[in-house]
Amino acid sequence: RKEVEQDPGPFNVPEGATVAFNCTYSNSASQSFFWYRQDCRKEPKLLMSVYSSGNEDGRFTAQLNRASQYISLLIRDSKLSDSATYLCVVRGGFGNEKLTFGTGTRLTIIP
Amino acid sequence: DTEVTQTPKHLVMGMTNKKSLKCEQHMGHRAMYWYKQKAKKPPELMFVYSYEKLSINESVPSRFSPECPNSSLLNLHLHALQPEDSALYLCASSQDRVGLAGGPPQYFGPGTRLTVL
Repeated sequence: RKEVEQDPGPFNVPEGATVAFNCTYSNSASQSFFWYRQDCRKEPKLLMSVYSSGNEDGRFTAQLNRASQYISLLIRDSKLSDSATYLCVVRGGFGNEKLTFGTGTRLTIIP
Repeated sequence: DTEVTQTPKHLVMGMTNKKSLKCEQHMGHRAMYWYKQKAKKPPELMFVYSYEKLSINESVPSRFSPECPNSSLLNLHLHALQPEDSALYLCASSQDRVGLAGGPPQYFGPGTRLTVL
């Protein structure tokens, strides 16, 4: 089983729609969780950290379920500029500096 | 400001060349990282420096040699590379909270696109 698993997609979604990505992780000692987006031939950029209570940033909502070892990202009212690859990223346990990346989910917003 | 800079943006080198990649951050971060990313794959961790000391080497071949001259700079020295080493090399930095639960995110530089002929 991969340490961090994501549906690779691609997701092709009309503009204005809501889209949800899911991610599961295998290390129950994981402490920190993030969503990054990566545009073609660019570096990953932090989209948002994911907190236990869930958190929202504008049109983006992230949820964490520690019991099920599951992370989600919801994008509402999708824009053309949301087209990118979304990477689920998990940081290891106590004192662990290493990030583990999912393989990414490719999203294309269609006009 | 969450800026990490990297030079050069592009590099083409032969298998006998020696070159260096450079990374700089002025956010006061004490952890810095080198990643390698191939097309359509996630970044793969190569090295981690924490407080200017090498803390993680992910079994990277010795033809890649990292160096951390000070808390703001990170170099990756390249020698006798192979064509399969062609990739995007990403530098990242983060606040360092080793020893504490949880952890801050990493911020990535724009990368150096390396081609080995």
